[in-house]
Amino acid sequence: DAMVIQNPRYQVTQFGKPVTLSCSQTLNHNVMYWYQQKSSQAPKLLFHYYDKDFNNEADTPDNFQSRRPNTSFCFLDIRSPGLGDAAMYLCATSSPRDNVAKNIQYFGAGTRLSVL
Amino acid sequence: QKEVEQDPGPLSVPEGAIVSLNCTYSNSAFQYFMWYRQYSRKGPELLMYTYSSGNKEDGRFTAQVDKSSKYISLFIRDSQPSDSATYLCAMSPNTDKLIFGTGTRLQVFP
Repeated sequence: DAMVIQNPRYQVTQFGKPVTLSCSQTLNHNVMYWYQQKSSQAPKLLFHYYDKDFNNEADTPDNFQSRRPNTSFCFLDIRSPGLGDAAMYLCATSSPRDNVAKNIQYFGAGTRLSVL
Repeated sequence: QKEVEQDPGPLSVPEGAIVSLNCTYSNSAFQYFMWYRQYSRKGPELLMYTYSSGNKEDGRFTAQVDKSSKYISLFIRDSQPSDSATYLCAMSPNTDKLIFGTGTRLQVFP
């Protein structure tokens, strides 16, 4: 089945220790997104890629970086995690092939990050 | 004022009840309206999407959009304990970005 896969599902890191979260997709979608979701809150868009074009949200801290080496994979790097970065990180994809498809995003199961 | 408002709940109903989940919004440019279901510690799963105003039915689920009132609803008929989850509404002004509500937590008890 085509899907969005996030690894690992759970990640524990230490305060200030860099961490990388990964996302892969078999949907062959052009657009990939990274969201941060804290408990009882809406997902907050951090950035997204349209193919290799990187689009950062204005309020995303510099501590968060991303890489997309190819269509299938996208990585979220947190350079110096703080306690406030503990959250669920969600990867999503969409396809701009038509007006309906470009508005629909498909999500992975998420990575829950804990910062000690 | 948030662009999308959603009552956080929790909403607790007995099995078999009809559930009504709602969102209001302020941006008249929104054209696409989605409902996602999110189980605890999982990613959001797309349930339904609707373009512009009107109704859409899929099994026990019905989505309604009233653009004149800037109000959308999701109805769940014959609710089941397996429907217990957080339901997120999301909207798009026909771009590649979604604006989410904060989610309503639903509990269906046997």
